[in-house]
Amino acid sequence: QKEVEQNSGPLSVPEGAIASLNCTYSDRVSQSFFWYRQYSGKSPELIMSIYSNGDKEDGRFTAQLNKASQYVSLLIRDSQPSDSATYLCAVDTDKLIFGTGTRLQVFP
Amino acid sequence: KAGVTQTPRYLIKTRGQQVTLSCSPISGHRSVSWYQQTPGQGLQFLFEYFSETQRNKGNFPGRFSGRQFSNSRSEMNVSTLELGDSALYLCASSLDFGGNEQFFGPGTRLTVL
Repeated sequence: QKEVEQNSGPLSVPEGAIASLNCTYSDRVSQSFFWYRQYSGKSPELIMSIYSNGDKEDGRFTAQLNKASQYVSLLIRDSQPSDSATYLCAVDTDKLIFGTGTRLQVFP
Repeated sequence: KAGVTQTPRYLIKTRGQQVTLSCSPISGHRSVSWYQQTPGQGLQFLFEYFSETQRNKGNFPGRFSGRQFSNSRSEMNVSTLELGDSALYLCASSLDFGGNEQFFGPGTRLTVL
């Protein structure tokens, strides 16, 4: 079992819709969770961090954490074509473990 | 505040050679982590340095090594290069270790011929 799992996609959503990205992790003691966005040919860019159960909102982005079910999700409201990228979920288990990423495509 | 910088941005080497990559963290950040990114394996953790000490290491052979200097700048070295070492090498810095947010540099694209 992979430590951090994500659906590779692509996830295709129309402009203006909500994109929902999901991630599950295997290490129950993990305490810190992150979402990164990576455009093709670029390095990952941190967009959200979440440390406690519940929702955390930042602009159009909402991260959701459920430690009991061991999943983290990222919602992107009012999706724009510029949101088209690969979204990486990362979980800190004494070192940062990344999922393989979900490719999001937002079409006009 | 300036971001994480990495040099060089691109490198072409041949099998058997060695290479040294450099990373300068964000000012005030004391932890530097290194990752290898390939299409097949994704982002994989190499090692983390804090206060000039390696505090964690991933599952890579001993050909991969690193160090950190007193100004928090870090270098990683790969000896006896293999074709499979071709990858994007990313450095990330954070204020501290243990669950802190990490910020990535632009990466060094290494091609081994």
